[in-house]
Amino acid sequence: EVQVVESGGGLVQPGGSLRLSCAASGFTLSDYAMNWVRQAPGKGPEWVSGISGSGDATYYADSVRGRFTISRDKSRDTVSLELNSVRAEDTAIYYCAKDRGAYPSYFDYWGQGTQVIVSS
Amino acid sequence: IQMTQSPSTLSASVGDRVTITCRASRTIGSRLAWYQLRPGKAPKLLIYKASYLESGVPSRFSGSGSGTEYTLTITGLQPDDFATYSCQQYHSHWTFGQGTKVEVK
Repeated sequence: EVQVVESGGGLVQPGGSLRLSCAASGFTLSDYAMNWVRQAPGKGPEWVSGISGSGDATYYADSVRGRFTISRDKSRDTVSLELNSVRAEDTAIYYCAKDRGAYPSYFDYWGQGTQVIVSS
Repeated sequence: IQMTQSPSTLSASVGDRVTITCRASRTIGSRLAWYQLRPGKAPKLLIYKASYLESGVPSRFSGSGSGTEYTLTITGLQPDDFATYSCQQYHSHWTFGQGTKVEVK
């Protein structure tokens, strides 16, 4: 059974940093891209970042490029999202989502999300 | 590519047929997915490639469209279907619609 479980969310001050983790099981992580999608209160989902199955390609939304970094740890079957220089507008539920293919496309399995709140 | 959904909210009753529309700012070649979102739960893929039903999703869900206009239809709304639905294009990068909340009439 495919499972995706996020962790690492919490309260962070503006300008601070946070690391989100996504534990994946039930499939071969290197065969599929993985993505982070967030949803702010009262808004639609926003794709944030993706990483190819092999890890050779990373992708970022303009709103986070240069501040967020996606990576994968193949030995632990995890994908991480490092959030730096966070802003109030980064407040959202962050979902980890498995892709249907080796490069980002659409997302067939999601976790339940981890809440990030940026506030002083 | 901007994705615009309509309506933002839809009031319906169990058994109704409901249709949600998603319009892309330019053609996306049927590279469109639909998701069901519920508070506190993992989002669920319903439809991909505009009209392909994801495995395990009830057949009352269907998708159609081409070019820039796409629709999600639920035929025979069930109690479990009251939720928010969002489209996503994957033709050029990845963007979602703002969501349509299906609520009890």
